Amino acid sequence: AQSVTQLDSQVPVFEEAPVELRCNYSSSVSVYLFWYVQYPNQGLQLLLKYLSGSTLVKGINGFEAEFNKSQTSFHLRKPSVHISDTAEYFCAVSEAGGATNKLIFGTGTLLAVQP
Amino acid sequence: DAGVIQSPRHEVTEMGQEVTLRCKPISGHDYLFWYRQTMMRGLELLIYFNNNVPIDDSGMPEDRFSAKMPNASFSTLKIQPSEPRDSAVYFCASSRQGSPLHFGNGTRLTVT
Repeated sequence: AQSVTQLDSQVPVFEEAPVELRCNYSSSVSVYLFWYVQYPNQGLQLLLKYLSGSTLVKGINGFEAEFNKSQTSFHLRKPSVHISDTAEYFCAVSEAGGATNKLIFGTGTLLAVQP
Repeated sequence: DAGVIQSPRHEVTEMGQEVTLRCKPISGHDYLFWYRQTMMRGLELLIYFNNNVPIDDSGMPEDRFSAKMPNASFSTLKIQPSEPRDSAVYFCASSRQGSPLHFGNGTRLTVT
């Protein structure tokens, strides 16, 4: 079974500052990793995913994440945030090569961008 | 592509009543998932279907919850009888094999 830990429930940051949202996972098998974003009163949207290959993954809206197998981490970063990036961010994991897209989500991190 | 469509967006009901949540997945997607989101537990996978067949319902809280997928374009999640602790946002998501999930906008359920 897999699990995901997002240690930071909330991250306040000023506009145009860099940000990192942390995600660690646990799994006995190879995994796929995902970051989703949820804006108020909406469903989740895919930001980026790691399936294989390059460990640095670029996503939408200027976000990127780096897969670190030795540290079992998949931290999300953005060099300069905007007010519009204020949202809840979820890290998720699924079993690599599995027959399903069954995702296990972390508890989420609220990114609060202040002017 | 209209995306995953859920109805209703909001549902307020009294304890003991039956509640039915509906989902229309994206055409061509053969996987459908029901998730529940609460402040206490975050996003929990309740059940998922592949080609209209329930594959894993281990996340369904108890017998009061049931889900069906009579065809490739429609699924329901039913709670009978409903209880206040069922209050949450329920999300439906669909995907193809090997592709990321696409989520609907959710149904916010309030049981009083």
